[in-house]
Amino acid sequence: GAGVSQSPRYKVAKRGQDVALRCDPISGHVSLFWYQQALGQGPEFLTYFQNEAQLDKSGLPSDRFFAERPEGSVSTLKIQRTQQEDSAVYLCASSFSRYEQFFGPGTRLTVL
Amino acid sequence: AQRVTQPEKLLSVFKGAPVELKCNYSYSGSPELFWYVQYSRQRLQLLLRHISRESIKGFTADLNKGETSFHLKKPFAQEEDSAMYYCALMWGNEKLTFGTGTRLTIIP
Repeated sequence: GAGVSQSPRYKVAKRGQDVALRCDPISGHVSLFWYQQALGQGPEFLTYFQNEAQLDKSGLPSDRFFAERPEGSVSTLKIQRTQQEDSAVYLCASSFSRYEQFFGPGTRLTVL
Repeated sequence: AQRVTQPEKLLSVFKGAPVELKCNYSYSGSPELFWYVQYSRQRLQLLLRHISRESIKGFTADLNKGETSFHLKKPFAQEEDSAMYYCALMWGNEKLTFGTGTRLTIIP
């Protein structure tokens, strides 16, 4: 079956531009997570949804980062006024139980 | 605060030799620990979880609360084990805290 998909796979933005990253979770998965992975680092938690409710956004690094999941399925991570330090791979994961998260391929964001 | 430490960024092992990837954690609650693996050009995927006490692809990991460790072991390395391995701690609302990862290379 289809796994978690993310689009675009690669995004180049000029500093100051806004970007939107999309995640399509596995159908029926209630939980959805966003992680940020900088070069040479492990993924770092950004935010968590259960259905359409954003239950935890403690990892969002600044108020320029915003995530939504309005219908409890597709999620969008938006970054406003991108900065060079936002350059990273953004991973989305979904799960139906606490014991396994299924990851997407990631979106590699490069801010020039 | 919770933390996961993987002291080795790179590890090279000969095929057929034993493998041990180290993971230490810091967490005040009851830990739930996982190993995730990323093979070349593939996405991150679960390898094993401590609660299942299972062996996957010949790998095992034992949670040692006294030493706050969750090392990953395999008695005989195979070439297909070459990959990036991440130890992860689950806490709060099922969020994961990852270590920085160990790149394992199996030498033929």
